[in-house]
Amino acid sequence: AQSVTQLDSQVPVFEEAPVELRCNYSSSVSVYLFWYVQYPNQGLQLLLKYLSGSTLVKGINGFEAEFNKSQTSFHLRKPSVHISDTAEYFCAVSRTGGTASKLTFGTGTRLQVTL
Amino acid sequence: DVKVTQSSRYLVKRTGEKVFLECVQDMDHENMFWYRQDPGLGLRLIYFSYDVKMKEKGDIPEGYSVSREKKERFSLILESASTNQTSMYLCASRGAASTDTQYFGPGTRLTVL
Repeated sequence: AQSVTQLDSQVPVFEEAPVELRCNYSSSVSVYLFWYVQYPNQGLQLLLKYLSGSTLVKGINGFEAEFNKSQTSFHLRKPSVHISDTAEYFCAVSRTGGTASKLTFGTGTRLQVTL
Repeated sequence: DVKVTQSSRYLVKRTGEKVFLECVQDMDHENMFWYRQDPGLGLRLIYFSYDVKMKEKGDIPEGYSVSREKKERFSLILESASTNQTSMYLCASRGAASTDTQYFGPGTRLTVL
């Protein structure tokens, strides 16, 4: 089974500052990794995903994440945040292969961007 | 544009009522999922379906059942609603491959009184 830990439940940051949202995972098999964002009163949408290849993955809205296998981490970063980035961010993992595989989500990190 | 729709954004029901939550996707996806989302707990998988009439239990199936009679529609059923089932319910769909993106509906906020 897989599990995901998002250590920070809330991250306050000023506009135009850099931000890093941390994600660590646990799995005995190879995994795919995902970051989803949930804006207020909306469903989740995909920010980016790591499947294979380059460990640095670029996503939408200027976000990127780096897969670190030795540290079992997949931290999300943005060099300069905007007020509109205020949202909840979820890290998720699924095992590779198999059509019936499913995502396991972390508990989420609420990013609060202020002026 | 891909779309996952849920029948209601807000729902208020009484304890003991039978509750149906409907989800429809227009992407011809094989896989469909039901999650509940609670503060501090993230998303927890209730049930999923990888094909018509096929279903598998997720992490928290107790008190719930599902139905998938057509590929595009996946229903979540609360046989006898209880107050601890007050939550946000999110439906999602995904293509056949585990590398495919999972798309979410807007959610149904269910309150059980």
